[in-house]
Amino acid sequence: EIVLTQSPGTLSLSPGERATLSCRASQNISRNSLAWYQQKPGQAPRILMSGASSRATGIPDRFSGSGSGTDFTLIISRLEPGDFAVYFCQQYGSAPCTFGLGTKLEVK
Amino acid sequence: QVQLRESGPGGLVKPSETLSLTCTVSGDSVTSDSSYWHWIRQPPGKGLEWIGYIYHKGATDYNPSLKSRVTMSLDTSKNQFSLKFTSLTAADTAVYYCARDTGVSWYPFYGPKSWRPSWNFDLWGRGTLVTVSS
Repeated sequence: EIVLTQSPGTLSLSPGERATLSCRASQNISRNSLAWYQQKPGQAPRILMSGASSRATGIPDRFSGSGSGTDFTLIISRLEPGDFAVYFCQQYGSAPCTFGLGTKLEVK
Repeated sequence: QVQLRESGPGGLVKPSETLSLTCTVSGDSVTSDSSYWHWIRQPPGKGLEWIGYIYHKGATDYNPSLKSRVTMSLDTSKNQFSLKFTSLTAADTAVYYCARDTGVSWYPFYGPKSWRPSWNFDLWGRGTLVTVSS
């Protein structure tokens, strides 16, 4: 199965700053079949992005996704207080779908 | 408003026992052609693991690493779907989520419109913590 490695493990930034989160796959992910989820403490994950770069319904354009093959990136352009959470990537190009261990975005 | 709600044994299950969880769906139908119903779990402080899905036309798909211990079923009269997980160990301690996947339609050369999972989980329950301990 495809292993996803997310970096950094923890990212400390201030509101207004730009966040860059990385997701690297152990094998090529076909058809850019990569999604990003946001999870806040005590809550279920919420989908942000699918197909590597397509924002889910209601997700502001401060969130952008890019990448292909084995390297993918989620960028949050101007951090707001509600953005501080854990972010997971998920690949669904090869069965079974798998998730990364997450990047914790915390307030500096 | 579509909602999913997990229910189960109340938290503590003994090793080697069987876990039974149910997800009640409101605002959508488990018999919807476009919806696939998944279970996903998250051990405390760790990442997510996909367990499997069920589709109302009888299809199921399970994570190969868990397949021998997992069974999923639908109860259309109650608009619910369920997970049975046998031979539990401490490693199965996790928050268990049910989730919806709104599928992708496609048109076969012959026959009516068909669906396949999108593998994008657009709606989740709040999760239920299951602790496996004697």
